[in-house]
Amino acid sequence: NAGVTQTPKFQVLKTGQSMTLQCAQDMNHEYMSWYRQDPGMGLRLIHYSVGAGITDQGEVPNGYNVSRSTTEDFPLRLLSAAPSQTSVYFCASSYSVGQRAQYFGPGTRLLVL
Amino acid sequence: AQTVTQSQPEMSVQEAETVTLSCTYDTSESDYYLFWYKQPPSRQMILVIRQEAYKQQNATENRFSVNFQKAAKSFSLKISDSQLGDAAMYFCAYRSARSTGTASKLTFGTGTRLQVTL
Repeated sequence: NAGVTQTPKFQVLKTGQSMTLQCAQDMNHEYMSWYRQDPGMGLRLIHYSVGAGITDQGEVPNGYNVSRSTTEDFPLRLLSAAPSQTSVYFCASSYSVGQRAQYFGPGTRLLVL
Repeated sequence: AQTVTQSQPEMSVQEAETVTLSCTYDTSESDYYLFWYKQPPSRQMILVIRQEAYKQQNATENRFSVNFQKAAKSFSLKISDSQLGDAAMYFCAYRSARSTGTASKLTFGTGTRLQVTL
């Protein structure tokens, strides 16, 4: 198993540009989520999904969209990037909402100029 | 809402010694899970150890153990026989046992940076 994979590893955007951060898992996990990590603030939940076709907002959803057309993939879209979205983004997954541990991808470092 | 507090931004330990990282949390729930994640310079988040709130016995994983004090809402991590590879950021995290909505999220502390010296 590759586990949770994320692409790209690093991206530089200009303000106003759009992009999609990719996340995929090959463990047949139902639950997937996106977090952002900022200095001194730990990780905060952006969006999550409890299964294909079902998504919902987390703590900091503004400026981000998600979709879940398959069990494996959970892309995160930035429609119009802002400098405040400069961060490290982590995708995580687990078998079910109730499972105790989440498994994280390697992260995507995003710089918005 | 739940909160997780790590009051030690940085800690240092000599190789082969023991170090304890502190974590406190606030919740009104009785059933939940607690975790310690390690984040080395590669930024990968690695699960170190987990504790179910309904279990009185403290979890252990090789050189890693926890001291879980439910009444005090305290969840410290002890690393024994510290190794250079233990140097990393360590995050304490909380997850509700309820399985609906954002209750399923992990709530993280701000982390403790552990240095391991020779």
